[in-house]
Formats: sequence, C-alpha cells, structure tokens
Amino acid sequence: DGGITQSPKYLFRKEGQNVTLSCEQNLNHDAMYWYRQDPGQGLRLIYYSQIVNDFQKGDIAEGYSVSREKKESFPLTVTSAQKNPTAFYLCASSIDYAGQANSNQPQHFGDGTRLSIL
Amino acid sequence: SQKIEQNSEALNIQEGKTATLTCNYTNYSPAYLQWYRQDPGRGPVFLLLIRENEKEKRKERLKVTFDTTLKQSLFHITASQPADSATYLCALPDTGRRALTFGSGTRLQVQP
Repeated sequence: DGGITQSPKYLFRKEGQNVTLSCEQNLNHDAMYWYRQDPGQGLRLIYYSQIVNDFQKGDIAEGYSVSREKKESFPLTVTSAQKNPTAFYLCASSIDYAGQANSNQPQHFGDGTRLSIL
Repeated sequence: SQKIEQNSEALNIQEGKTATLTCNYTNYSPAYLQWYRQDPGRGPVFLLLIRENEKEKRKERLKVTFDTTLKQSLFHITASQPADSATYLCALPDTGRRALTFGSGTRLQVQP
C-alpha cells in the first residue's frame, strides 16, 4: 500500500534537546512538506521541498531544520532553539509542487507526530 | 498578504440535512481550491479540487462551488450522516511560493 509514514506517533522532548521526526513516502512524489498544527488552528508551513537536495523555509521555520537526501525521506529536526515545540506535526507529499497553475495534484498526509515537552 | 477564513465555530446539524461550509479568501486570485477532511488525531485527507474556471464540482454526496467574484467557496454535504462528523479544511495555492495555504477549518458535527 502506498502512503506516507510518520514516526513516532508520540514524542517527548527534554529541555535543551534536539529531536528528529521521521517522514517516509513510497508514492514516488517529488514534493514534500512539513506542517505544524496547534489546537483549534490550521496548518502552518514549516519547510517544503520540491526535489531532492533542495528545500525552502515556510512561515515558521525558526527553530527547525530539515534535509532531503533521498526522494522518499524528509526528516524534520526540532532544535532546542524552538521554544514552544509542543504541537501536532504533519508531513505531506504531492506529485508536483502546489504552485503550478495547472497542477491538479492533492497533498497526501501522514497521520502525524504529537510532540510534547517533558 | 493573502488570507483564508473559515468559520471557527462548529456547525451542528441533524442527520439527513445538508451541511454547508464556507471558505472566504482575500488579496488573492487562486487558480484552484482544494477541500480536505481531518479526523481527530489524523492527517487531512483530500476530498475535492475545483479550478477557477469551474463553477461547481460534485463527488457522490459532496458538492463544491467556487465564486471568484465573491472570493468564496462553498462545500456542501447532502444527506449528512454522523460519519461525516470531522473538521473540513480549505486550501489554496500560495502566491509567490510553491506550497498550499490552509484555512483553520470548520468542525462539523452531525447528530443522529
């Protein structure tokens, strides 16, 4: 079955610690995205990548870092510089990037990682 | 800057009725608009896409309209069922950036 796998489902971070959230897709999609969702709020874009070895900052990139060394994988690191990391993190992918005017491809989401502070 | 607004108040309706959710946007002329469904603790799931030159799109009990003059999309679920209870998000392509911007979503509760 094709899809996006996020792990772990729940993660706890200690003060001053970096943690990495995993996102793997077997859909052969070029574009991948990371979002943060806080209670009662919409999705806010952290980072996105249109192709391997390339990524761009979203609206709330401070305190986060990503890599895109393989097409299937787009891990997100929440660094100690992110002072309010408690949130629900969602990874998504699409065949091509969303900005194309003639694109008709939806984003496929994983089931998220819930990060909490110890 | 572009802005998307969805009713933050939950919509409660009776089973069998039609649910209508609204997505308004400003400072924007999107080429298309997408609707997603999100269940608690899960990622959003794509439902429908409608392009700027399409007035209406249907899929089973779902209907989406897109009024580029009013800068508004309406999402309808006919013959609603308790299983339709979820949060529904609209999303539009960013201007100047290759990504989507999502609304905050409207929670729908269908009472049996």
